[in-house]
Amino acid sequence: DIVMTQSPDSLAVSLGERATINCRSSQSVLLSANNKNYLAWYQQKPGQSPKLLIYWASIRESGVPDRFSGSGSGTDFTLTISSLQAEDVAVYYCQQYYNIPYTFGRGTKLEIK
Amino acid sequence: EVQLVESGGGLVQPGGSLRLSCAASGFTFSNYAVTWVRQAPGKGMGWVSCVGGSDDTTYYADSVKGRFSISRDNSQNTFYLQMNSLRAEDTAVYYCAKGRHGNCYSSLDYWGQGILVTVSP
Repeated sequence: DIVMTQSPDSLAVSLGERATINCRSSQSVLLSANNKNYLAWYQQKPGQSPKLLIYWASIRESGVPDRFSGSGSGTDFTLTISSLQAEDVAVYYCQQYYNIPYTFGRGTKLEIK
Repeated sequence: EVQLVESGGGLVQPGGSLRLSCAASGFTFSNYAVTWVRQAPGKGMGWVSCVGGSDDTTYYADSVKGRFSISRDNSQNTFYLQMNSLRAEDTAVYYCAKGRHGNCYSSLDYWGQGILVTVSP
């Protein structure tokens, strides 16, 4: 199984500041045939279902604010929130869908400093 | 508007069975893969199973293989997770989710509200 390692486990950032979450996969999730990284980011607010933010590592889902961005390729990926808002308090998960079983990171809890 | 609504959860004894249902609306059901993901209390996400929309191919996590069975009824826009030989470690909130594509190699763009399954004597 591909192991997804997120860092940090938790993060406290001031409102308006940048938040950066990292995700590393134990093997590449880049498919050379189509040059796509099979990596998604989800946001889960307390008491809610997960919400898709980013897919193919860097494509923002429709309706997601542009302060959210994804980057990286191969085995190293980053989710960046450029200017933290109060409503961004949540747990963020990365997930690979390159190999079955699809695996998630353990999550990063983002709070306001 | 895409909606996914789970039902069928509850309390069951170890070794028992449950069937979860996920009623879908707002999209052409047969065109998309559908997936079950679970989240144990206070824990992270665990992928459980997927069935393709374009080819009906099924996939399972090793932890549930041979015990769980995923299926879909395109005429009812509903998919199911039959869970047999349940164990305490299967206790979790189960989410159904829609794939962005017809095959299971896709991210999950819509999720249900989740339903709790508790396996306990």
